[in-house]
Amino acid sequence: RKEVEQDPGPFNVPEGATVAFNCTYSNSASQSFFWYRQDCRKEPKLLMSVYSSGNEDGRFTAQLNRASQYISLLIRDSKLSDSATYLCVVNRLNDYKLSFGAGTTVTVRA
Amino acid sequence: EADIYQTPRYLVIGTGKKITLECSQTMGHDKMYWYQQDPGMELHLIHYSYGVNSTEKGDLSSESTVSRIRTEHFPLTLESARPSHTSQYLCASSESGNEQYFGPGTRLTVT
Repeated sequence: RKEVEQDPGPFNVPEGATVAFNCTYSNSASQSFFWYRQDCRKEPKLLMSVYSSGNEDGRFTAQLNRASQYISLLIRDSKLSDSATYLCVVNRLNDYKLSFGAGTTVTVRA
Repeated sequence: EADIYQTPRYLVIGTGKKITLECSQTMGHDKMYWYQQDPGMELHLIHYSYGVNSTEKGDLSSESTVSRIRTEHFPLTLESARPSHTSQYLCASSESGNEQYFGPGTRLTVT
C-alpha cells in the first residue's frame, strides 16, 4: 500500500468554480502534512501546510482528519492560474523525509 | 524564491557515458535530497544527506551515487548511463526536513 494516495483526476472546472479533493495517508503516526503545487514540467513548490484545526490561505482551505487519515484541499473562485497538479505530502515519523502522492490534476477552463 | 540551482537543465547523452548532475543551494541548509520523477508519477527519493560527509540511499534503488563534501553542494553521478535512467531528477534542500525547496530539475534522456 502506498504511503500517500490521491485521486489523479483530472478535475476540469470552469473559472469561478469551487473544487475540492482529498488524499489519504497510511501511517497514523504521521505528524506533518502539506500541499505542494507542481506546474507542468516544473519543480514542486509548497502551497500550504495543513494544521490540525484546518487553515486557510486566501482562496485555499486545507483540512486534516486524523481519525480517517485524510487531508483535503478546497479551492474557491478558481482562476486559470490554479491549473496545476497538487501533491499531497506527509512527513515520516522521526525522520526528515517526506512521502509524496502522485498528485491530483486540476484544469480550470475559461 | 528558493536559492537552489541545478545544472544542466536538459541532458541528452549516449549509453555508457558517465554523467554528473549538479545541485547547489545558498540557504545553508543541512538537509539535501535527490528525487526521481517520471511523467505523471510521484517523486521517489533516491538519495539524501543530513550534512557534510553524510549520505544515504533513499527508497528507490538507484545506480547513482552522491557526495556531500560541502554544505551547499550535492552532486549526483551516474558512472554508466543507460536508457532506463531516462527521467527527471529533482534536487531539494530543507532546514527542518518538512518544507523542502526544489531546484528546477534536470531532464535526462539516455539514448
